[in-house]
Amino acid sequence: AQSVTQLDSQVPVFEEAPVELRCNYSSSVSVYLFWYVQYPNQGLQLLLKYLSGSTLVESINGFEAEFNKSQTSFHLRKPSVHISDTAEYFCAVRDTGRRALTFGSGTRLQVQP
Amino acid sequence: KAGVTQTPRYLIKTRGQQVTLSCSPISGHRSVSWYQQTPGQGLQFLFEYFSETQRNKGNFPGRFSGRQFSNSRSEMNVSTLELGDSALYLCASSLALASYNEQFFGPGTRLTVL
Repeated sequence: AQSVTQLDSQVPVFEEAPVELRCNYSSSVSVYLFWYVQYPNQGLQLLLKYLSGSTLVESINGFEAEFNKSQTSFHLRKPSVHISDTAEYFCAVRDTGRRALTFGSGTRLQVQP
Repeated sequence: KAGVTQTPRYLIKTRGQQVTLSCSPISGHRSVSWYQQTPGQGLQFLFEYFSETQRNKGNFPGRFSGRQFSNSRSEMNVSTLELGDSALYLCASSLALASYNEQFFGPGTRLTVL
Protein backbone atom coordinates (compact mmCIF):
# COMPACT_ATOMS: atom_id res chain seq x y z
CA ALA A 1 0.00 0.00 0.00
CA GLN A 2 1.12 3.52 -0.64
CA SER A 3 0.95 6.46 1.73
CA VAL A 4 1.69 10.16 1.71
CA THR A 5 2.97 12.20 4.64
CA GLN A 6 2.71 15.95 4.88
CA LEU A 7 4.43 16.72 8.16
CA ASP A 8 3.35 20.34 8.42
CA SER A 9 -0.35 20.87 8.99
CA GLN A 10 0.03 24.66 8.93
CA VAL A 11 2.74 26.92 7.55
CA PRO A 12 2.52 30.64 8.37
CA VAL A 13 4.74 32.86 6.24
CA PHE A 14 5.04 36.55 5.47
CA GLU A 15 4.26 37.90 2.03
CA GLU A 16 7.22 37.81 -0.39
CA ALA A 17 9.07 35.26 1.76
CA PRO A 18 10.05 31.85 0.36
CA VAL A 19 8.17 28.74 1.40
CA GLU A 20 8.61 24.96 1.24
CA LEU A 21 5.79 22.51 1.84
CA ARG A 22 7.10 19.04 2.52
CA CYS A 23 5.76 15.80 1.11
CA ASN A 24 7.11 12.28 1.56
CA TYR A 25 5.58 9.15 0.15
CA SER A 26 6.00 5.43 0.48
CA SER A 27 5.32 2.97 -2.29
CA SER A 28 6.77 -0.29 -3.45
CA VAL A 29 6.21 0.53 -7.12
CA SER A 30 6.78 3.42 -9.50
CA VAL A 31 4.52 6.38 -8.87
CA TYR A 32 3.14 9.53 -10.34
CA LEU A 33 3.17 12.54 -8.00
CA PHE A 34 0.85 15.52 -7.81
CA TRP A 35 0.29 18.71 -5.87
CA TYR A 36 -3.25 20.07 -5.63
CA VAL A 37 -4.44 23.37 -4.14
CA GLN A 38 -7.81 23.93 -2.52
CA TYR A 39 -9.18 27.41 -1.89
CA PRO A 40 -12.00 27.86 0.65
CA ASN A 41 -15.30 26.34 -0.44
CA GLN A 42 -13.84 25.08 -3.67
CA GLY A 43 -12.70 21.79 -5.14
CA LEU A 44 -9.14 20.76 -5.83
CA GLN A 45 -7.07 22.31 -8.60
CA LEU A 46 -4.00 20.60 -10.00
CA LEU A 47 -0.91 22.71 -9.33
CA LEU A 48 1.75 20.48 -10.88
CA LYS A 49 2.59 16.89 -11.55
CA TYR A 50 5.53 14.58 -12.01
CA LEU A 51 5.03 11.71 -14.43
CA SER A 52 8.53 11.09 -15.76
CA GLY A 53 11.53 12.89 -17.16
CA SER A 54 12.96 15.96 -15.47
CA THR A 55 12.70 15.70 -11.71
CA LEU A 56 12.01 19.43 -11.37
CA VAL A 57 8.51 20.46 -12.40
CA GLU A 58 7.07 23.95 -12.43
CA SER A 59 3.64 25.51 -12.39
CA ILE A 60 2.51 28.63 -14.20
CA ASN A 61 2.16 30.64 -10.97
CA GLY A 62 5.70 30.26 -9.68
CA PHE A 63 5.53 27.04 -7.69
CA GLU A 64 7.97 24.22 -8.32
CA ALA A 65 8.49 20.74 -6.94
CA GLU A 66 11.36 18.33 -7.17
CA PHE A 67 11.00 14.58 -7.25
CA ASN A 68 13.69 12.89 -5.18
CA LYS A 69 13.48 9.15 -5.61
CA SER A 70 16.16 8.26 -3.06
CA GLN A 71 14.45 10.32 -0.36
CA THR A 72 10.93 9.51 -1.63
CA SER A 73 10.05 13.17 -1.46
CA PHE A 74 8.21 15.69 -3.62
CA HIS A 75 8.52 18.99 -1.77
CA LEU A 76 6.73 22.08 -3.09
CA ARG A 77 8.55 25.41 -3.12
CA LYS A 78 7.92 29.00 -4.08
CA PRO A 79 10.61 31.69 -3.83
CA SER A 80 8.20 34.53 -3.04
CA VAL A 81 4.61 34.01 -1.88
CA HIS A 82 1.61 36.29 -2.28
CA ILE A 83 -1.46 36.79 -0.12
CA SER A 84 -3.43 35.03 -2.85
CA ASP A 85 -1.42 31.82 -2.27
CA THR A 86 -3.24 31.34 1.03
CA ALA A 87 -4.93 27.96 0.64
CA GLU A 88 -4.63 24.31 1.54
CA TYR A 89 -2.15 22.25 -0.43
CA PHE A 90 -2.40 18.52 -0.90
CA CYS A 91 0.30 16.16 -2.08
CA ALA A 92 -0.97 13.02 -3.82
CA VAL A 93 0.51 9.87 -5.26
CA ARG A 94 -0.80 7.33 -7.70
CA ASP A 95 1.11 4.20 -8.58
CA THR A 96 1.54 3.64 -12.28
CA GLY A 97 -0.81 0.67 -12.34
CA ARG A 98 -3.72 2.12 -10.42
CA ARG A 99 -6.16 4.96 -10.75
CA ALA A 100 -7.01 6.11 -7.27
CA LEU A 101 -5.08 9.02 -5.83
CA THR A 102 -3.74 8.68 -2.30
CA PHE A 103 -3.65 12.08 -0.64
CA GLY A 104 -1.64 13.50 2.20
CA SER A 105 -3.43 15.21 5.08
CA GLY A 106 -2.84 18.65 3.62
CA THR A 107 -0.83 21.73 4.59
CA ARG A 108 -2.58 25.03 5.20
CA LEU A 109 -0.42 27.85 3.88
CA GLN A 110 -1.21 31.14 5.60
CA VAL A 111 0.42 34.14 3.96
CA GLN A 112 0.49 37.20 6.21
CA PRO A 113 1.04 40.80 5.08
CA LYS B 1 -15.15 24.09 -22.03
CA ALA B 2 -17.25 23.77 -18.89
CA GLY B 3 -15.66 22.17 -15.85
CA VAL B 4 -16.92 19.37 -13.67
CA THR B 5 -20.27 20.23 -12.15
CA GLN B 6 -21.76 18.75 -9.03
CA THR B 7 -25.29 19.08 -7.73
CA PRO B 8 -26.47 19.98 -5.26
CA ARG B 9 -23.70 22.06 -3.69
CA TYR B 10 -25.12 21.77 -0.19
CA LEU B 11 -27.36 19.17 1.39
CA ILE B 12 -28.73 18.62 4.87
CA LYS B 13 -30.14 15.24 5.82
CA THR B 14 -30.99 13.38 9.01
CA ARG B 15 -29.67 10.06 10.22
CA GLY B 16 -31.21 7.07 8.53
CA GLN B 17 -32.13 8.89 5.35
CA GLN B 18 -30.52 8.29 2.00
CA VAL B 19 -29.00 10.77 -0.40
CA THR B 20 -28.04 10.91 -4.08
CA LEU B 21 -25.32 13.20 -5.38
CA SER B 22 -24.79 13.99 -9.03
CA CYS B 23 -21.68 14.71 -11.09
CA SER B 24 -21.39 15.84 -14.69
CA PRO B 25 -17.87 15.38 -16.06
CA ILE B 26 -16.09 17.60 -18.51
CA SER B 27 -17.37 17.02 -22.03
CA GLY B 28 -15.47 14.12 -23.59
CA HIS B 29 -14.27 12.71 -20.29
CA ARG B 30 -15.29 9.13 -19.72
CA SER B 31 -13.87 8.38 -16.30
CA VAL B 32 -15.45 9.66 -13.09
CA SER B 33 -14.04 9.18 -9.60
CA TRP B 34 -15.53 10.06 -6.24
CA TYR B 35 -13.69 11.14 -3.08
CA GLN B 36 -14.82 11.91 0.45
CA GLN B 37 -13.15 14.75 2.34
CA THR B 38 -13.48 15.07 6.12
CA PRO B 39 -11.40 16.95 8.69
CA GLY B 40 -10.55 13.73 10.48
CA GLN B 41 -9.84 11.31 7.64
CA GLY B 42 -8.80 13.76 4.93
CA LEU B 43 -9.37 12.86 1.30
CA GLN B 44 -10.32 9.25 0.66
CA PHE B 45 -11.10 7.49 -2.58
CA LEU B 46 -14.59 6.04 -2.88
CA PHE B 47 -14.85 4.56 -6.37
CA GLU B 48 -14.21 5.11 -10.06
CA TYR B 49 -16.43 4.51 -13.06
CA PHE B 50 -15.55 4.17 -16.71
CA SER B 51 -17.90 3.17 -19.51
CA GLU B 52 -20.72 2.63 -17.02
CA THR B 53 -18.69 0.06 -15.07
CA GLN B 54 -17.11 0.39 -11.65
CA ARG B 55 -13.39 -0.11 -12.19
CA ASN B 56 -11.96 0.58 -8.78
CA LYS B 57 -13.33 0.79 -5.27
CA GLY B 58 -12.04 2.22 -2.02
CA ASN B 59 -12.52 0.92 1.48
CA PHE B 60 -16.04 2.11 2.25
CA PRO B 61 -19.08 0.15 3.45
CA GLY B 62 -21.74 -1.07 1.06
CA ARG B 63 -23.98 1.85 2.03
CA PHE B 64 -21.94 3.85 -0.44
CA SER B 65 -22.74 3.03 -4.04
CA GLY B 66 -22.58 4.69 -7.40
CA ARG B 67 -23.35 4.37 -11.04
CA GLN B 68 -22.48 5.93 -14.35
CA PHE B 69 -24.76 6.61 -17.26
CA SER B 70 -24.10 6.31 -20.97
CA ASN B 71 -23.40 10.06 -21.19
CA SER B 72 -20.67 9.61 -18.51
CA ARG B 73 -22.65 11.45 -15.86
CA SER B 74 -22.38 9.78 -12.50
CA GLU B 75 -24.34 9.55 -9.31
CA MET B 76 -23.37 8.32 -5.91
CA ASN B 77 -25.82 7.16 -3.30
CA VAL B 78 -25.43 6.85 0.44
CA SER B 79 -28.10 4.90 2.26
CA THR B 80 -28.91 4.83 5.97
CA LEU B 81 -26.96 7.98 6.64
CA GLU B 82 -24.79 8.23 9.74
CA LEU B 83 -23.43 11.34 11.44
CA GLY B 84 -19.96 10.38 10.27
CA ASP B 85 -21.03 10.65 6.65
CA SER B 86 -21.00 14.43 6.97
CA ALA B 87 -18.31 15.46 4.51
CA LEU B 88 -17.43 17.22 1.30
CA TYR B 89 -17.91 14.78 -1.57
CA LEU B 90 -15.73 15.52 -4.55
CA CYS B 91 -16.13 14.22 -8.05
CA ALA B 92 -13.24 14.14 -10.51
CA SER B 93 -13.27 13.38 -14.21
CA SER B 94 -10.54 12.39 -16.64
CA LEU B 95 -10.32 11.46 -20.28
CA ALA B 96 -9.68 7.78 -19.74
CA LEU B 97 -8.45 5.23 -17.28
CA ALA B 98 -4.70 5.54 -17.72
CA SER B 99 -3.04 6.44 -14.44
CA TYR B 100 -1.16 9.41 -15.91
CA ASN B 101 -4.35 11.16 -17.02
CA GLU B 102 -5.03 14.28 -15.04
CA GLN B 103 -8.14 14.31 -12.89
CA PHE B 104 -10.21 17.50 -12.85
CA PHE B 105 -12.19 18.07 -9.68
CA GLY B 106 -15.60 19.62 -9.24
CA PRO B 107 -16.47 22.07 -6.43
CA GLY B 108 -17.95 19.31 -4.30
CA THR B 109 -21.22 18.65 -2.52
CA ARG B 110 -21.19 19.43 1.19
CA LEU B 111 -23.37 16.92 3.00
CA THR B 112 -24.41 17.56 6.58
CA VAL B 113 -26.08 14.75 8.48
CA LEU B 114 -28.02 15.79 11.60
